[in-house]
Amino acid sequence: NAGVTQTPKFRVLKTGQSMTLLCAQDMNHEYMYWYRQDPGMGLRLIHYSVGEGTTAKGEVPDGYNVSRLKKQNFLLGLESAAPSQTSVYFCASSSPGLNTEAFFGQGTRLTVV
Amino acid sequence: DAKTTQPPSMDCAEGRAANLPCNHSTISGNEYVYWYRQIHSQGPQYIIHGLKNNETNEMASLIITEDRKSSTLILPHATLRDTAVYYCIVRVSGNTPLVFGKGTRLSVIA
Repeated sequence: NAGVTQTPKFRVLKTGQSMTLLCAQDMNHEYMYWYRQDPGMGLRLIHYSVGEGTTAKGEVPDGYNVSRLKKQNFLLGLESAAPSQTSVYFCASSSPGLNTEAFFGQGTRLTVV
Repeated sequence: DAKTTQPPSMDCAEGRAANLPCNHSTISGNEYVYWYRQIHSQGPQYIIHGLKNNETNEMASLIITEDRKSSTLILPHATLRDTAVYYCIVRVSGNTPLVFGKGTRLSVIA
């Protein structure tokens, strides 16, 4: 049981380049989330999805786009990377309801130079 | 969702109980309290959650005051592997994402 898998684990981008981060979950969860974490900070929500084909903005959505074409996958795109997007990105998934827990991936460390 | 306040850091001797406090004085009647932890740079890990009754599982105990304005996460016998950042989160709906604060950095000392 892999849980939540993020690809890639590390990446270095040049300013202005684009890339897509992939999150895959094998738990049949309806909800998926993308967070970023800067040094010394808690996680901040970028975008999230409550089901296939749906997405919603979180706290810090600017500069990112997302897609949820398949229930098991949630993609995070950076169209034109900026140094301010240097961060560790975490994906999570959960079922609906309050008596559920969220499962997190191991993170993607992105550096934009 | 109600705001939470946690001390930025705490120390605990190995083998002793670690008691991590969380203040959520604006919590409403239907909001749950969740605890997650993040070890080093790994993804956060669920620990426990509760509404009004005390809860216990294999990892920890959660004590919620009768007025629900604060709670305490208890790790009964802390080990070095419990060194992590612990997040207390209040959530009103299962349809809303988890909102993380800065948490408490717990250092377990040998």
